[in-house]
Amino acid sequence: AQTVTQSQPEMSVQEAETVTLSCTYDTSESDYYLFWYKQPPSRQMILVIRQEAYKQQNATENRFSVNFQKAAKSFSLKISDSQLGDAAMYFCAYRRGETSGSRLTFGEGTQLTVNP
Amino acid sequence: DGGITQSPKYLFRKEGQNVTLSCEQNLNHDAMYWYRQDPGQGLRLIYYSQIVNDFQKGDIAEGYSVSREKKESFPLTVTSAQKNPTAFYLCASSMYSPGVKGSGYTFGSGTRLTVV
Repeated sequence: AQTVTQSQPEMSVQEAETVTLSCTYDTSESDYYLFWYKQPPSRQMILVIRQEAYKQQNATENRFSVNFQKAAKSFSLKISDSQLGDAAMYFCAYRRGETSGSRLTFGEGTQLTVNP
Repeated sequence: DGGITQSPKYLFRKEGQNVTLSCEQNLNHDAMYWYRQDPGQGLRLIYYSQIVNDFQKGDIAEGYSVSREKKESFPLTVTSAQKNPTAFYLCASSMYSPGVKGSGYTFGSGTRLTVV
């Protein structure tokens, strides 16, 4: 079974600084997708960024980028120029690639605090 | 606008009662999912359905039941057999097609269930 581990229950960053959230996963599959989701205090889940395992290039979305290390099974999220609105719970998630109907497996989450 | 609607937002259950959480989507998504969220444990999969009239157990299905009679609807019943039902419940949906791989989920806004 696939597992996703986020080893940092809590992180904090100063506004305008950069922070990196860690995620590792375990799988024997070669075709899969990785995601980072954000859950603000409203508890609405918001997709931040997505990475296809077959792509070597790291995904980026504006201030958000990932460091995908396939051999190490590591998938960290970097937030640049942190803003107060980035404060949220962040979840790393894994999904097998053979069909988009397959299940998402989530990590335990990292609570990010942004200090003004 | 297309999306997922969960109702009610807050639900209170007495000991020994069954309650049903509603999840409706108008995204024409084939697959639907129910997750439970507890503090420090991330999101855990309860049940999922990839097509109408078919569903599979997730990791924590005991004490829960579902139905999928319509593509748009995937209600979750929390039965009296669920010993610790107080949690936040999230419904999600995604496309299910061999040609559409790795799409993320669309989430509802959640239902907070409390046993009183």
